[in-house]
Amino acid sequence: KAGVTQTPRYLIKTRGQQVTLSCSPISGHRSVSWYQQTPGQGLQFLFEYFSETQRNKGNFPGRFSGRQFSNSRSEMNVSTLELGDSALYLCASSQFRELFFGEGSRLTVL
Amino acid sequence: GESVGLHLPTLSVQEGDNSIINCAYSNSASDYFIWYKQESGKGPQFIIDIRSNMDKRQGQRVTVLLNKTVKHLSLQIAATQPGDSAVYFCAEITQGGSEKLVFGKGTKLTVNP
Repeated sequence: KAGVTQTPRYLIKTRGQQVTLSCSPISGHRSVSWYQQTPGQGLQFLFEYFSETQRNKGNFPGRFSGRQFSNSRSEMNVSTLELGDSALYLCASSQFRELFFGEGSRLTVL
Repeated sequence: GESVGLHLPTLSVQEGDNSIINCAYSNSASDYFIWYKQESGKGPQFIIDIRSNMDKRQGQRVTVLLNKTVKHLSLQIAATQPGDSAVYFCAEITQGGSEKLVFGKGTKLTVNP
């Protein structure tokens, strides 16, 4: 069974740009959640989607958004990038509360 | 305000020793707890979980203990190996239907050969 796949693995953007990250969950998993990991703040919850609906949202500004498609694949978008958005963005797919993470997308904002 | 780097607790052990990693969780309403291992450059890897109606669960070389009275979790690793070197996080989920994990700060385990 394939694991959680995130693309791209690494990317570099400049301030003011926007970025879209993609996540393909484990087959059969309907819940996808996103986390931001930084040295300063640790692992922080961004949002969770289940059957194309956002079920929960963390304390991040509106520049951070996401969506889920009918095949459970998910994307997150960050608009008007700031230096502080540099982080590892992790996607997790889950079934019956067992969450499995992808390897992450490492975003660097210059 | 200025962002301050998290000061990760560290634990250094000799290969073959047992390791105990501790975690205090925040929400007394949390009913499900997970330990994750994160190696450098990788995503967190599921190790073991425990539900709030249990106080102990054992896996292969790992044991998780839950003390709800003091909101404390521990992860015990038996016969620690160099491959166990990583950052270990505890995470909690609060009953309510959403798969939202609240992570602890993590502990960096170093296993010396």
